[in-house]
Amino acid sequence: SQKIEQNSEALNIQEGKTATLTCNYTNYSPAYLQWYRQDPGRGPVFLLLIRENEKEKRKERLKVTFDTTLKQSLFHITASQPADSATYLCALDPGSNYQLIWGAGTKLIIKP
Amino acid sequence: DSGVTQTPKHLITATGQRVTLRCSPRSGDLSVYWYQQSLDQGLQFLIQYYNGEERAKGNILERFSAQQFPDLHSELNLSSLELGDSALYFCASRATGGRNNEQFFGPGTRLTVL
Repeated sequence: SQKIEQNSEALNIQEGKTATLTCNYTNYSPAYLQWYRQDPGRGPVFLLLIRENEKEKRKERLKVTFDTTLKQSLFHITASQPADSATYLCALDPGSNYQLIWGAGTKLIIKP
Repeated sequence: DSGVTQTPKHLITATGQRVTLRCSPRSGDLSVYWYQQSLDQGLQFLIQYYNGEERAKGNILERFSAQQFPDLHSELNLSSLELGDSALYFCASRATGGRNNEQFFGPGTRLTVL
């Protein structure tokens, strides 16, 4: 069956360290993958998009990698800050229609 | 501010009732998506409209229906409400011109069914 998985356990990181979140998928061949941030009770906010022919994408302290062989995307936040604490969602385009398939999200907690 | 508006922000109603949630997409966006997010759960795609036409359907119950009007605003109708329908309902719009364009989410409507 087709699945997209993110670590369901909260990730606790010390301020200043690099946080790495994982998004794994099976039985999809997505043309691209997106990452979003969601704060409690609010709508997700788009962060980054990476295409299947791109290995890495960066935006300020954020970096996303996309390994279509491993069927995995990694999302990194360097020099993490308490304000980075949120739930991070990955979403992929399955290619069959215009909807995105969403992971359940990983809650990131940055401790001062 | 994403530019997507949703009303109302909060809705409290009883089982068996019917409610309508409203969404206005960003100016110029033709696509509207509806999602349901239950407590500590992921986003569940319900339905998508593009320029007034239904484009894709997800796990939307038969008790739920939606439409997109000529002015591009959309409404999600939920009927015969059950306790389990209590959730955050999000609307999102996507810029026209590329299927890989990101989605812009509204602030959500929190529905509580008592």
